[in-house]
Amino acid sequence: DAMVIQNPRYQVTQFGKPVTLSCSQTLNHNVMYWYQQKSSQAPKLLFHYYDKDFNNEADTPDNFQSRRPNTSFCFLDIRSPGLGDAAMYLCATSRDSEGGPYEQYFGPGTRLTVT
Amino acid sequence: AQRVTQPEKLLSVFKGAPVELKCNYSYSGSPELFWYVQYSRQRLQLLLRHISRESIKGFTADLNKGETSFHLKKPFAQEEDSAMYYCALKSGTYKYIFGTGTRLKVLA
Repeated sequence: DAMVIQNPRYQVTQFGKPVTLSCSQTLNHNVMYWYQQKSSQAPKLLFHYYDKDFNNEADTPDNFQSRRPNTSFCFLDIRSPGLGDAAMYLCATSRDSEGGPYEQYFGPGTRLTVT
Repeated sequence: AQRVTQPEKLLSVFKGAPVELKCNYSYSGSPELFWYVQYSRQRLQLLLRHISRESIKGFTADLNKGETSFHLKKPFAQEEDSAMYYCALKSGTYKYIFGTGTRLKVLA
């Protein structure tokens, strides 16, 4: 009964080689988020989608892009990964409601290693 | 600046002892605060949110605007409470700021 699924769970890529992480959800939530979490640090919001509207955080590097082809799927593209992009990437969803969303549902994360 | 601070990286308590996980925030508006928990090998999940004023698994958290705190408390810790706990601030309609987390270890 997995609700937010992330694939792969572990990804190894080479320095500079584009990589795509995927997230899917069975909750039919209209908001999807991508977070980056480096070791011993707080999860940091990269961007979110409200339906098809993309919202980038001001300090998210241009190297990070996202696509949401439909309600269920959302992708994180890292165009030219650097060693500093090695991290756990968390996908989350929430359902918009009056007054705004309250609970986020997280996936298990994808651990990205850059060699 | 909007910020969430969890000063303790690790908190160890004995089973049956009271627990208090500290969270302080910096936010200019009316804050909405949450506690998320991550048990071993599980995903991050919501534990409680201040607007609900609820007690989940024996945990409570009270928002103290004067002290800008939202500490998580439980009177008697259980071994199954061992986990990573994150305090989070909703700083925009779809923006959340997380603290760095506190690992709680409940010793037998």
